[in-house]
Amino acid sequence: EAQVTQNPRYLITVTGKKLTVTCSQNMNHEYMSWYRQDPGLGLRQIYYSMNVEVTDKGDVPEGYKVSRKEKRNFPLILESPSPNQTSLYFCASRAGGRELFFGEGSRLTVL
Amino acid sequence: DAKTTQPTSMDCAEGRAANLPCNHSTISGNEYVYWYRQIHSQGPQYIIHGLKNNETNEMASLIITEDRKSSTLILPHATLRDTAVYYCIVSTHFSGAGSYQLTFGKGTKLSVIP
Repeated sequence: EAQVTQNPRYLITVTGKKLTVTCSQNMNHEYMSWYRQDPGLGLRQIYYSMNVEVTDKGDVPEGYKVSRKEKRNFPLILESPSPNQTSLYFCASRAGGRELFFGEGSRLTVL
Repeated sequence: DAKTTQPTSMDCAEGRAANLPCNHSTISGNEYVYWYRQIHSQGPQYIIHGLKNNETNEMASLIITEDRKSSTLILPHATLRDTAVYYCIVSTHFSGAGSYQLTFGKGTKLSVIP
């Protein structure tokens, strides 16, 4: 089954404690992307990757890092999380001009 | 700058057609119109996309005006499970090279009423 898998789905952490949200897709998609969703602000893109070792900033990249060492994986790294990074995060992937497939979301709370 | 304009919310009676409008007056010739929906806090789900011709699939129909400055997503027989936020997005059609991005606005909150 074609899917985008994110982990963890839920996480409560404290300010400054580094964390990684993993994202993996099994569709051999070249393009992957991270979004965050906050009430009243809609979906905003954090980072995206056009292919292995190719990443670029989206609209709200501050405080985040990403890497794309393999085609299937695109982890989101919060080196020093802060409360304003409390949000619902989505990973997505696509191939060419086809539809964007989204993961189920990761709800992160930073205390 | 927002590339699309959608109403904030709409209601539709169960069993009736839901017609969701979208304005995209600055759309360029190589940009497609995409529609996604998000049910509660789940990941957004692709519905349909088109360039200039009307499109139909098992989920919905997409009507694009001749000047391509607006479009309408039609859910022919809305059910309670269609209650969701619907996003209209315009974007170039990535095909192996160049850049491709989908920018989500705030969408239209569709409530299907029993």
